Amino acid sequence: DAGVTQTPRHEVAEKGQTIILKCEPVSGHNDLFWYRQTKIQGLELLSYFRSKSLMEDGGAFKDRFKAEMLNSSFSTLKIQPTEPKDSAVYLCASSWTGGAQYFGPGTRLTVL
Amino acid sequence: GQQVQQSPASLVLQEGENAELQCNFSSTATRLQWFYQRPGGSLVSLLSNPSGTKHTGRLTSTTVTKERRGSLHISSSQITDSGTYLCAMERQGTGSKLSFGKGAKLTVSP
Repeated sequence: DAGVTQTPRHEVAEKGQTIILKCEPVSGHNDLFWYRQTKIQGLELLSYFRSKSLMEDGGAFKDRFKAEMLNSSFSTLKIQPTEPKDSAVYLCASSWTGGAQYFGPGTRLTVL
Repeated sequence: GQQVQQSPASLVLQEGENAELQCNFSSTATRLQWFYQRPGGSLVSLLSNPSGTKHTGRLTSTTVTKERRGSLHISSSQITDSGTYLCAMERQGTGSKLSFGKGAKLTVSP
């Protein structure tokens, strides 16, 4: 079975640009999560879907971050407009409800 | 405040020594999950443990939900065990959502 896939693996954006990150969860998993990881803050939850329904949109990240799940096998995270402080690794994870989470390889975003 | 506290923040061992990593959490948890991460790498799930003790290979996870603590024991450490170990708590009533600790960096030298 394929694990969680994320594209692109690396992204460089200019301040103010719009970027879209993509994630394909493990086939059959019904929960999907987007996280941001930085050295200072560690792992922070951005969004959480269950069976394609948005369960949590990450509070402080609402303004410029929007995650969508148009079907059960694909999700996007849009950051608009990007700021230098958004530079981080963005991780997608999926799981069965109540099961262990499986993470993708991440997208390293650098905003200049 | 930080919901999940890990200690120690870093640990240096010689190959063959055992490691004990601690995790304390501030809310009622239904489950602890331990992850491993290499520098620049993604997270790999090691053990998911609602309560009691669970083993896999050289790893033993113990979760005491009543006391809001857990631990990960690594026996006979190897150089390839070097990396960061993250504890994550699934808080009661939040579905599958996890809150993560900042991680414990383990370095195993020959």
